[in-house]
Formats: sequence, structure tokens, C-alpha cells
Amino acid sequence: DAGVTQSPTHLIKTRGQHVTLRCSPISGHKSVSWYQQVLGQGPQFIFQYYEKEERGRGNFPDRFSARQFPNYSSELNVNALLLGDSALYLCASRQDRGTWPSFFGPGTRLTVL
Amino acid sequence: GDSVTQMEGPVTLSEEAFLTINCTYTATGYPSLFWYVQYPGEGLQLLLKATKADDKGSNKGFEATYRKETTSFHLEKGSVQVSDSAVYFCALETSYDKVIFGPGTSLSVIP
Repeated sequence: DAGVTQSPTHLIKTRGQHVTLRCSPISGHKSVSWYQQVLGQGPQFIFQYYEKEERGRGNFPDRFSARQFPNYSSELNVNALLLGDSALYLCASRQDRGTWPSFFGPGTRLTVL
Repeated sequence: GDSVTQMEGPVTLSEEAFLTINCTYTATGYPSLFWYVQYPGEGLQLLLKATKADDKGSNKGFEATYRKETTSFHLEKGSVQVSDSAVYFCALETSYDKVIFGPGTSLSVIP
């Protein structure tokens, strides 16, 4: 079975631009979460979506938004990119709320110049 | 707020040495505790978990015990191998499927 997939693998943007990152969860998984991992640090929680609704949000500005589609795939959008947004963005899926474990995708490496 | 603290790295050990990576947490309520591992160039993988006090999680020779009285979840392995070289993250989860990670500890095992 395919694991969590994310696209693109790498992305280079300039300050002020907008970016969209995509995630496909494991088949049958209804919950998707997004994390930001800055180099040398642990992942930081951004969003959790379940059944197409936002169920949790971390301490990130409104420039970050996300959505989940009927097939449970998800997009993370970041507007007005800053240099500090350069990071590995991880998507995680789980079968249902409150179930373990979370399965993580390989991530999208975003570089903002 | 909820948080996780773990020992700073990098940690360098010889093959077959004993490994301990310390982890302590702060949380309201009763969190579930996890260790994740990130091998070079790969994504995060769940290594082991414990969901209540005194539970012991174990996998691939690694162990950690949920100690509520000391709010700790230290990772141990009796004999490390070169293939264990990776970054290890201690983490907790309380609600909303939100996992809170520690800063990570880099482990290098030399032959």
C-alpha cells in the first residue's frame, strides 16, 4: 500500500510569493495534519483536518491556510512568503481521530529566497 | 502550554554501546508519549509509544517507560548499531490529534 505522499518534493520561491503544497493520505485515513520543520528543530504543528473541517490550529499567522477535499487529500497554502518560511513541510495522516499512529509523508522542502 | 524537552545532541557512540536519550515533558491532562525517528533523507517514523503511566513502549530493541511522577519518557537501547544513526524525537499528544515534538537528538554510531 502507498504511504502518505506529498508534492512537490522541493520548491524554491521568492519573498512575497504564494505557495500550495499537496498531500495524499494513506487510503482510508480521514485525518490529515500539517507540520513545519525548520532545519535543526522538531516539527511544529500547523493544522489538523478531519472530515474536511479544521479541527486544530497551531500558533501560525493567517498567511497559512489549508483545506481538505472529499477524498481526504489536503492542500496547505502560504501567502506572502517570508524567508523564515523556509522549512520542510510534513503531512501526517491517521485512520481516524484519536487513533495511533500518525504516518508521516516525506515532506516538501520549501526554500524562500 | 504543553512542551517536550530532550537532551541536546549530537550524541556519538561506538557500536554495541548503551544508549540513553533523556526526555521530559510538561502537559495538562494525561498525554500519550511517543518516540519518532528520522533517518537521513527519510520521513518521520513512529518508533514506539506509551499511552498511560507505567506503560513501556518497545520496538527494534528500543524501550521507553512512561513515568508520570517524574514526567519523563527516556529512550534506551542496550546495544546500538551503525544503522541506528538518525535523529530521535520525543513527542506528546493530548488532544486534536496534535503532536508536540521535542527539538530532536542526533545520534551517530561509529563502527
